[in-house]
Amino acid sequence: DTEVTQTPKHLVMGMTNKKSLKCEQHMGHRAMYWYKQKAKKPPELMFVYSYEKLSINESVPSRFSPECPNSSLLNLHLHALQPEDSALYLCASSLRGLAGYQDTQYFGPGTRLTVL
Amino acid sequence: AQRVTQPEKLLSVFKGAPVELKCNYSYSGSPELFWYVQYSRQRLQLLLRHISRESIKGFTADLNKGETSFHLKKPFAQEEDSAMYYCALRAPGNTGKLIFGQGTTLQVKP
Repeated sequence: DTEVTQTPKHLVMGMTNKKSLKCEQHMGHRAMYWYKQKAKKPPELMFVYSYEKLSINESVPSRFSPECPNSSLLNLHLHALQPEDSALYLCASSLRGLAGYQDTQYFGPGTRLTVL
Repeated sequence: AQRVTQPEKLLSVFKGAPVELKCNYSYSGSPELFWYVQYSRQRLQLLLRHISRESIKGFTADLNKGETSFHLKKPFAQEEDSAMYYCALRAPGNTGKLIFGQGTTLQVKP
């Protein structure tokens, strides 16, 4: 398996709902990432997990809560979101997440989130 | 601060014409640079890494440290090259963080 998969593909939620996004990879990668992408804009990094530990939180609001249960799985728990949080949420993985190693990031197809 | 600049939002060329997508970076050390492509309704995918010096789908990119540039080139554009192209710089430190440019939409007309 050489792909990053994400579920669901689409998600519509109200501002009071709690939902989760799921990302999975079976490439033996030990670094996993969450990005947010607005239309016609580049991805913006949200979180990085390296060896199942959170290594970067780009000052993301607490209504987004990441979780890395194991080396293959990454979740993003959503609670009390705002309409401006509507976006494409991308997951990526890379071998080690280290600079200087040509550690290529491979992206999933994304979950398109709409907050009503 | 590290920064990636892609000066053109949109580049429109005719099929068979040469293409050059510009990317300039700001970084004081040895940069790690990438080009990613996002075709319509497809995932973001790696096109080139500077260290590999490879040619993918006819595209090449050369790192010019003097001009701090990593422009993407193709001698003869094809309609299927139409997509959004992002230049990215890996931030220093052992974080794997990528800094993306704003992207350039390449439109290849028949």
